Amino acid sequence: DIQMTQSPSTLSAFVGDGVTITCRASQTIGSWLAWYQQKPGKAPKLLIYKASILENGVPSRFSGSGSGTEFTLTITSLQPEDFATYYCQQYNSDSGTFGQGTKLEIK
Amino acid sequence: QVQLVQSGAEVREPGASVKVSCKASGYGFTSNGISWVRQAPGQGVEWMGWISPYYGNTNYAQKFHGRVTMTTDISTSTVYMELRYLSFDDTALYYCARDVGLYSTRTSCYDFWGQGTQVTVSS
Repeated sequence: DIQMTQSPSTLSAFVGDGVTITCRASQTIGSWLAWYQQKPGKAPKLLIYKASILENGVPSRFSGSGSGTEFTLTITSLQPEDFATYYCQQYNSDSGTFGQGTKLEIK
Repeated sequence: QVQLVQSGAEVREPGASVKVSCKASGYGFTSNGISWVRQAPGQGVEWMGWISPYYGNTNYAQKFHGRVTMTTDISTSTVYMELRYLSFDDTALYYCARDVGLYSTRTSCYDFWGQGTQVTVSS
């Protein structure tokens, strides 16, 4: 199975800051990568698919980039509702492996 | 509107089996695959496997091969996930999720999720 590694595991930031989360795949996955946001007690919410396409209704302060094995999720001008856990997921192979998650905390 | 409604919480003893259902509505049931994802307490999300209601084929994570079976009932637009030989490590919240891709032959990413079913393994 393809392994996905996110960094950092935890990130602290102020409201208004910009942050970047990185996701690395153990082998090339093209652009078959998604990003999700999860808040406590809720299912994950799709933010970005195919590495850089914003899901309908997701604010434009979220953006994704990358291809092959290295990908990034960038959030500009953090809002209070953005503090959550973020997961990447590859769907290039027959499996849909997730990264271990990045918890974004308010500073 | 698209909805995935899962069955209620389950408690099982170690070694037993559990079968969780996911009833879909609000879209053409056979057009999108369904995946199962679980989340142990305080842990990340873990992909378990996928089924295509259209083609009837499945893909399971290697970790669960031999222990998990996913099936569909097209007449009721329901997907089932059965997990056997349960251990304490299987205590988790189990989600079904709808594939974004249409008539795909493998899993994709997920735009709608069920509410989750808590499975507790306890002696």
